Amino acid sequence: QQQVKQSPQSLIVQKGGISIINCAYENTAFDYFPWYQQFPGKGPALLIAIRPDVSEKKEGRFTISFNKSAKQFSLHIMDSQPGDSATYFCAATGGNEKLTFGTGTRLTIIP
Amino acid sequence: DAMVIQNPRYQVTQFGKPVTLSCSQTLNHNVMYWYQQKSSQAPKLLFHYYDKDFNNEADTPDNFQSRRPNTSFCFLDIRSPGLGDAAMYLCATSRGWTGTGDNEQFFGPGTRLTVL
Repeated sequence: QQQVKQSPQSLIVQKGGISIINCAYENTAFDYFPWYQQFPGKGPALLIAIRPDVSEKKEGRFTISFNKSAKQFSLHIMDSQPGDSATYFCAATGGNEKLTFGTGTRLTIIP
Repeated sequence: DAMVIQNPRYQVTQFGKPVTLSCSQTLNHNVMYWYQQKSSQAPKLLFHYYDKDFNNEADTPDNFQSRRPNTSFCFLDIRSPGLGDAAMYLCATSRGWTGTGDNEQFFGPGTRLTVL
């Protein structure tokens, strides 16, 4: 009931391309969906987050798309840059549940 | 800058030798969390403190203990580290309990624990 499924496990995108990472959740009590970016040897850092009352949120090159009926949300990185190479975790919480992470996506941006 | 600080960044201990990891915060947040993160895996919550109230996850081994002497500091004690405890340990804070709203969690840089 608390699981968050994330795909793909790894992703290689050419510089300037669009990176897309998908997540799906099961617990309908979840009402806050953050994305974390983690560089090797560092702690996760909040990238962008969304609540289910909106279907899309954009901050710079990063956009979250949210589909409440399908219980899915995704991260789009436009104009992907080598500096975006990192591991990305989707997460979900709400209904007094702890923050539940997806399994992570290792993103590599190649020149 | 307000932040979450972890010390040391790297810790090497011997099998069975107790070790303590430290976390401090200048955010004045009520909640402090300890996570274990193994290579290529998501962070796994061990326990959290809401002020002085300690909340243990059901699957956290008894080998792991925590102390929070004041608002700013929280410690993770591993009483008898095994080889399987080698991991990155992450401290995080939030203003309130994450599950009750969009209480963002701020993570520290982590402590990499090696067990020989």
